[in-house]
Amino acid sequence: AAGVIQSPRHLIKEKRETATLKCYPIPRHDTVYWYQQGPGQDPQFLISFYEKMQSDKGSIPDRFSAQQFSDYHSELNMSSLELGDSALYFCASSLEEATYEQYFGPGTRLTVT
Amino acid sequence: AQKVTQAQTEISVVEKEDVTLDCVYETRDTTYYLFWYKQPPSGELVFLIRRNSFDEQNEISGRYSWNFQKSTSSFNFTITASQVVDSAVYFCALSEPRSGANSKLTFGKGITLSVRP
Repeated sequence: AAGVIQSPRHLIKEKRETATLKCYPIPRHDTVYWYQQGPGQDPQFLISFYEKMQSDKGSIPDRFSAQQFSDYHSELNMSSLELGDSALYFCASSLEEATYEQYFGPGTRLTVT
Repeated sequence: AQKVTQAQTEISVVEKEDVTLDCVYETRDTTYYLFWYKQPPSGELVFLIRRNSFDEQNEISGRYSWNFQKSTSSFNFTITASQVVDSAVYFCALSEPRSGANSKLTFGKGITLSVRP
């Protein structure tokens, strides 16, 4: 069965650079979630989208922005990267009527040097 | 606000021992879902189980079993006859799905389980 695809899987950036993470949900899933997991920490919810509209927002820095496109894929854009942004970024997808069934992607490991 | 507490941070056992991972949650909703995820050293989040608030039946899946008790707001996870491959970080999580909003997962801090040969 198709799963959530995230790209790239690994990304190394320098401070103050920008990064774009991509997420391709499971086919027919209309809701996408982004989570950030710092080293030794639990995943923290950043933002979610339903039908290309932001549906919920967590502790996402102002330097970050995200959107969901017409094909339901989503991109997380991070600017002015800081060392503290080094983390594992997970994307999850679900159907809106079954948001309790979130399927996680493999994650993108971002390292900021 | 929803909250998940995993009071144990690290547990070390010898192979074949049984081990229980504790999870206590807080929520004001009557409809909610509880989850357990396994995160091996490779980093991916592996889904183990989902339970809704109306189903208090305990569940067993092979060496894994879960005990859900609403009276104590707990959702504990037991691994029977542990194996080295069970070594991982285990997260308990809570979701309060309401029409697409506020359906994010709130995770506990995780429990690092080490199973020694």
